Amino acid sequence: ETGVTQSPTHLIKTRGQQVTLRCSSQSGHNTVSWYQQALGQGPQFIFQYYREEENGRGNFPPRFSGLQFPNYSSELNVNALELDDSALYLCASGSGQNTEAFFGQGTRLTVV
Amino acid sequence: GQSLEQPSEVTAVEGAIVQINCTYQTSGFYGLSWYQQHDGGAPTFLSYNALDGLEETGRFSSFLSRSDSYGYLLLQELQMKDSASYFCAAPMNTGFQKLVFGTGTRLLVSP
Repeated sequence: ETGVTQSPTHLIKTRGQQVTLRCSSQSGHNTVSWYQQALGQGPQFIFQYYREEENGRGNFPPRFSGLQFPNYSSELNVNALELDDSALYLCASGSGQNTEAFFGQGTRLTVV
Repeated sequence: GQSLEQPSEVTAVEGAIVQINCTYQTSGFYGLSWYQQHDGGAPTFLSYNALDGLEETGRFSSFLSRSDSYGYLLLQELQMKDSASYFCAAPMNTGFQKLVFGTGTRLLVSP
């Protein structure tokens, strides 16, 4: 089985621009969660998608949005980028009551 | 809301035993997970405690005390490759994929 893969690995954007990050779930997983990890801090939950519907959201503004596709892959979109959006964005997949979340390597976003 | 506090850094030598603590305050609690993250890498799952007590997985053990709102990760026979950041994390509800992470502990293992 393949693991969780994210693209791109690194990205530089200008303040005010929009960005789309992509995640392919591990085979057999129907849940995808996105996290933001600032340097030196723990990941912070952005939102989760289950069967193509948003299934819970953390304390992030509406300019953070997402999609999940029928093959369970997912996108994270961030509009009107701010300097503080610079972080590592992690995608994690899982299924049902499995206690383990499987993380991708992340996308390092730098906003200048 | 939920918050999980950890020491920021722990240092130890190869072959030693180290304990990383996690204290939590939560409005609802379903269990405690531990993740390891090497610099530039993905967090990887180490263990999950749903009930009080000790769970052992090889060189790593994890402990939970619900009455004390406290848990710890115990690493034995430390190796250089164990140098990494360690996070405790609690599921927000019965969906184990929605996690609140602790502040993280950076473990430095020296020869």
